[in-house]
Amino acid sequence: DSGVTQTPKHLITATGQRVTLRCSPRSGDLSVYWYQQSLDQGLQFLIQYYNGEERAKGNILERFSAQQFPDLHSELNLSSLELGDSALYFCASSAFSGREAYNEQFFGPGTRLTVL
Amino acid sequence: AQSVTQLGSHVSVSEGALVLLRCNYSSSVPPYLFWYVQYPNQGLQLLLKYTTGATLVKGINGFEAEFKKSETSFHLTKPSAHMSDAAEYFCAVSDLDDFGNEKLTFGTGTRLTIIP
Repeated sequence: DSGVTQTPKHLITATGQRVTLRCSPRSGDLSVYWYQQSLDQGLQFLIQYYNGEERAKGNILERFSAQQFPDLHSELNLSSLELGDSALYFCASSAFSGREAYNEQFFGPGTRLTVL
Repeated sequence: AQSVTQLGSHVSVSEGALVLLRCNYSSSVPPYLFWYVQYPNQGLQLLLKYTTGATLVKGINGFEAEFKKSETSFHLTKPSAHMSDAAEYFCAVSDLDDFGNEKLTFGTGTRLTIIP
């Protein structure tokens, strides 16, 4: 158990809908990262937040957005869903942001999104 | 921009045999390199990482990897495979953006099967 929790575990929805995925980081971790894992794209970094502020952006679509709240939990919002958005969405957390030698990212179990 | 290439999307070895999973990277800065393991229906778990110092890195579950700068490689090995090693393995390289934030880029993964 990494200490990172994600809800829900599974989500099934229809095209055009909007969903929210939730992540609670490990106690004390200030950074939250979101990743998408799909069969065709592999594992891709989406976005990072550090202590409530956006820090880095990866291959995140404009239809997707995220935020980190004062209690440090994070939500990933996916809107106007398409079939191709079906994937496993991981959240990871770390203590810091940047290249500190021990800034290990701990991954949650993921949310499996199925768009029908 | 950095990239990671994992040779062989599927590798099968007999129980007790040597495990060798290959990873080559490209990076414009001194790389931090990682191996993660993903068991079925679980999130990613860090096996080992190279940041600086000794080029032979030992990780959990008897795995180790050697950073070879001249070959831009970071291959993962284990002397004797165990049935519990069956999983998907991801090599990753970190990159720093203009603000010093670290992003992980993952390879496409290698699914390791252990033959009894």
